[in-house]
Amino acid sequence: DGGITQSPKYLFRKEGQNVTLSCEQNLNHDAMYWYRQDPGQGLRLIYYSQIVNDFQKGDIAEGYSVSREKKESFPLTVTSAQKNPTAFYLCASSTTEAGGYGYTFGSGTRLTVV
Amino acid sequence: GQQLNQSPQSMFIQEGEDVSMNCTSSSIFNTWLWYKQDPGEGPVLLIALYKAGELTSNGRLTAQFGITRKDSFLNISASIPSDVGIYFCAGINTGTASKLTFGTGTRLQVTL
Repeated sequence: DGGITQSPKYLFRKEGQNVTLSCEQNLNHDAMYWYRQDPGQGLRLIYYSQIVNDFQKGDIAEGYSVSREKKESFPLTVTSAQKNPTAFYLCASSTTEAGGYGYTFGSGTRLTVV
Repeated sequence: GQQLNQSPQSMFIQEGEDVSMNCTSSSIFNTWLWYKQDPGEGPVLLIALYKAGELTSNGRLTAQFGITRKDSFLNISASIPSDVGIYFCAGINTGTASKLTFGTGTRLQVTL
């Protein structure tokens, strides 16, 4: 079955460490996105990529980095520069074709700084 | 970035009641979407609307694309406990390089 997989589901990080969240899709979607969700809050866009080897900053990119070396994969690194990284992180993908509708989301990674 | 305004922000209802929520924007969209997020999971698409004035149903859910193209409404009839979650609206202008703009979310809790 086609889908989008995020791993791990739960992640603990010590202060000052970088950590990388994985996102893989087999939907043949061109575009991929990373969102952050804080408790009781909406979705805030961190980074997005509409094509391999290209990505753009979203609304809250500071302290995060991404790469898009393969169409299927869009890993997110939470760096030590991110002052408040504890949050729920969601990855999504979509087609960029005209008439492509909506995003498919992964099941999320909950990151906790200890 | 822009977020769409959803209301109410949260609601407690009794099982069996009908639920209404809405979403408004300062700009127009040619496509409106409604998502539901279960606790600890990613949002799942419920309904997509492609034309102003369109009314679309999916089981107990009915959504409408506002005639001004700046709003959308979601109704849930005869709510059940598994309706609990956060409902997000989203708008997009398909055929462009634009991204989805999400609403602020409506948290629904259903009591027995």
